Amino acid sequence: KAGVTQTPRYLIKTRGQQVTLSCSPISGHRSVSWYQQTPGQGLQFLFEYFSETQRNKGNFPGRFSGRQFSNSRSEMNVSTLELGDSALYLCASSALGTGGRDEQFFGPGTRLTVL
Amino acid sequence: GENVEQHPSTLSVQEGDSAVIKCTYSDSASNYFPWYKQELGKGPQLIIDIRSNVGEKKDQRIAVTLNKTAKHFSLHITETQPEDSAVYFCAAPSYNTDKLIFGTGTRLQVFP
Repeated sequence: KAGVTQTPRYLIKTRGQQVTLSCSPISGHRSVSWYQQTPGQGLQFLFEYFSETQRNKGNFPGRFSGRQFSNSRSEMNVSTLELGDSALYLCASSALGTGGRDEQFFGPGTRLTVL
Repeated sequence: GENVEQHPSTLSVQEGDSAVIKCTYSDSASNYFPWYKQELGKGPQLIIDIRSNVGEKKDQRIAVTLNKTAKHFSLHITETQPEDSAVYFCAAPSYNTDKLIFGTGTRLQVFP
């Protein structure tokens, strides 16, 4: 069974631009969660989508948004990029997505650098 | 608020020795505790998890123990090998906010 895939793996943008990241979950998994990982803040939860609906949201500004498609693939978008948005963005899929109580499997991440 | 504390932040051991990483959580309703291993340039990989109906779980050289009364759980790696070198994260669900909260990570270095 293929694992979680994320594209692109690396991205360089400048301040003020916007970016879209993509995540394909494990086949059959209906939940996709997004995390931001930085050296100073660790793994921070962004949001979770389940069956095309956002089920939960972390404490991030409205510039961070996401969506999920009927095939469970998910995208996250960051608008008006700031230097502090430089991070590794991780996507995790799970079968049930029961509020973090189900096994989550992570993708390799997208390394975003904002200049 | 929800919180998961993890110690130590760095751990260096000689190959063949044991390594122990400890985490404490605040949400007494938590009942699922996964551990992840993250190697350089990769996403976190689930290596073992435990649910609150058991106190200990083993998988070859890796074991996790859980003390619900004290609200802490630990990862034990025996007979460490250089390939065990990575950053390890613990996590616990917050039922208040319905999401998985991660510890700050432990960088484990195993020297040959």
